[in-house]
Amino acid sequence: QQQVKQSPQSLIVQKGGISIINCAYENTAFDYFPWYQQFPGKGPALLIAIRPDVSEKKEGRFTISFNKSAKQFSLHIMDSQPGDSATYFCAASLRNTGKLIFGQGTTLQVKP
Amino acid sequence: DTEVTQTPKHLVMGMTNKKSLKCEQHMGHRAMYWYKQKAKKPPELMFVYSYEKLSINESVPSRFSPECPNSSLLNLHLHALQPEDSALYLCASSRLQLAGGQETQYFGPGTRLLVL
Repeated sequence: QQQVKQSPQSLIVQKGGISIINCAYENTAFDYFPWYQQFPGKGPALLIAIRPDVSEKKEGRFTISFNKSAKQFSLHIMDSQPGDSATYFCAASLRNTGKLIFGQGTTLQVKP
Repeated sequence: DTEVTQTPKHLVMGMTNKKSLKCEQHMGHRAMYWYKQKAKKPPELMFVYSYEKLSINESVPSRFSPECPNSSLLNLHLHALQPEDSALYLCASSRLQLAGGQETQYFGPGTRLLVL
């Protein structure tokens, strides 16, 4: 099963709040889990990434939590800002293939 | 520098036209990728090049023809496209691990293609 399931599809958060996006997978051959941020009319930009031997990674306001046994990972955006309003994609890389499998995306709107 | 450039930014073509999309990176990456992205959908992998050789073709119709002339350049030649091929075409590049592991893919801004 090569799917990555992402939720919610859309999210509205007040400025200063915490945005949480969740992803789940089945395939144990995934070995790298990046998150991408995409603004309208632009290409996806890498936000933060994690490997399955690490349970949490933090970069500034962005944190990935990874639960290997549950095959779930999530993105937390602390102190969300209107400039964070974008579409967020989780992804998972199939080991030794170069293939990146994307979740369906979450459209985040941060209200001022 | 993590920049991948793509030209043109926008392209309008008829179903009988032949056109090409161009992608360039100067990060020394030896893996390059073409993706297709429809509105409000995730990118879908089309082709992967490793060391200038085609390593993955995701059953893409032959009206799309990729080419990797050197380690910095990736082209996508388009011929006899259909209106449903209208989409954002994204190029990406990454390093290649010797053990075959994944390295971060860096995306270009894309070419917005409209087929009439």
